[in-house]
Amino acid sequence: GAVVSQHPSWVICKSGTSVKIECRSLDFQATTMFWYRQFPKQSLMLMATSNEGSKATYEQGVEKDKFLINHASLTLSTLTVTSAHPEDSSFYICSASPQTGVGTDTQYFGPGTRLTVL
Amino acid sequence: QKEVEQDPGPLSVPEGAIVSLNCTYSNSAFQYFMWYRQYSRKGPELLMYTYSSGNKEDGRFTAQVDKSSKYISLFIRDSQPSDSATYLCAMSVPGNQFYFGTGTSLTVIP
Repeated sequence: GAVVSQHPSWVICKSGTSVKIECRSLDFQATTMFWYRQFPKQSLMLMATSNEGSKATYEQGVEKDKFLINHASLTLSTLTVTSAHPEDSSFYICSASPQTGVGTDTQYFGPGTRLTVL
Repeated sequence: QKEVEQDPGPLSVPEGAIVSLNCTYSNSAFQYFMWYRQYSRKGPELLMYTYSSGNKEDGRFTAQVDKSSKYISLFIRDSQPSDSATYLCAMSVPGNQFYFGTGTSLTVIP
């Protein structure tokens, strides 16, 4: 149980294009989803927290107009990197917290999406 | 002072050894404690999830929480090369506020 998927698992794009990453909770409903960024050999950096049906809360220093987050349903959140540049190349990981039951105060992570911007 | 402190390692042990991973924290409001394992280029995988003080065992893994000392541990018995990964501790207060350690890199040498 508690499986989170991400799509795509990797993407290469040209500078200036936009990339959308999907995060789905497959066997539970998620009140809250999180988006992280991770550079090689570094820890997770929380980018934003999103609750279904409301605007995401972005961490300090994260540009909300560049990293658009949509949490349209209890099982789907999307992160769109707009006008991507090489410095946006990174490993993006989402996570989700179950709405009810055991584990509502923990996070289940997706497998991550590796973004390379040329 | 960071909310959660974790020694980044790296930690290198021979196969079969007992591994001890630790985190300390400063916020007494933390109630939920988690350990994640992250392989290279993968998302973190939840290993152990505990509430409040005490021990929890799952196979070769034991999680220990000492709220009086603000200290949590993860023990791995009979460590295997497949245990080589980065281990992250995490803690939360009710209402979805989470704090992660920086992760400890573990290598188990065959």
